[in-house]
Amino acid sequence: GDSVTQMEGPVTLSEEAFLTINCTYTATGYPSLFWYVQYPGEGLQLLLKATKADDKGSNKGFEATYRKETTSFHLEKGSVQVSDSAVYFCALSRRGVNKFYFGSGTKLNVKP
Amino acid sequence: DTAVSQTPKYLVTQMGNDKSIKCEQNLGHDTMYWYKQDSKKFLKIMFSYNNKELIINETVPNRFSPKSPDKAHLNLHINSLELGDSAVYFCASSQKAGGEAFFGQGTRLTVV
Repeated sequence: GDSVTQMEGPVTLSEEAFLTINCTYTATGYPSLFWYVQYPGEGLQLLLKATKADDKGSNKGFEATYRKETTSFHLEKGSVQVSDSAVYFCALSRRGVNKFYFGSGTKLNVKP
Repeated sequence: DTAVSQTPKYLVTQMGNDKSIKCEQNLGHDTMYWYKQDSKKFLKIMFSYNNKELIINETVPNRFSPKSPDKAHLNLHINSLELGDSAVYFCASSQKAGGEAFFGQGTRLTVV
């Protein structure tokens, strides 16, 4: 069945450090891939998405590239800020399927 | 205007009580979901609806009963609350099944 695996946290970085959060998936066909972010006490917000192989999603300095050959969608940011501290979720969906598959979430702590 | 709104945001209640959580979306989406987030932040689908029709019921105890009076609303009623029901419940919607999802702020349910 479909599933998403992402690296366990927490990830603790200093401000301006480079961030990578790994995400790999298992799915039939051609899923859409997403990164959602959850700030403390809030709901999930869509951070970026990619709907086909080799697409790059980007937003607020974050990027992720849909790699079909490695079934990955790793999240990267060149220079993190304290305000990026949150829980990040990788997710996939398939057209016509009424369900999102979420990874377990990775908590990011950025220290000044 | 909030795209997906849930009420209440916090709910504290005693074991054995019955409670409801309401959800409304003003995005004109066809598909709505309920997700449960446990204390480790893991997100698990409970139900999904498409145009008021139940599509997914993910082995949720029958104490949980969703109701969709129209495609903009998806409410969740829980009977005979148990300690293990304590969690954050998220409502979400997407334009079509498999499309990007928009989440509400969540309802933190605490059963004492």
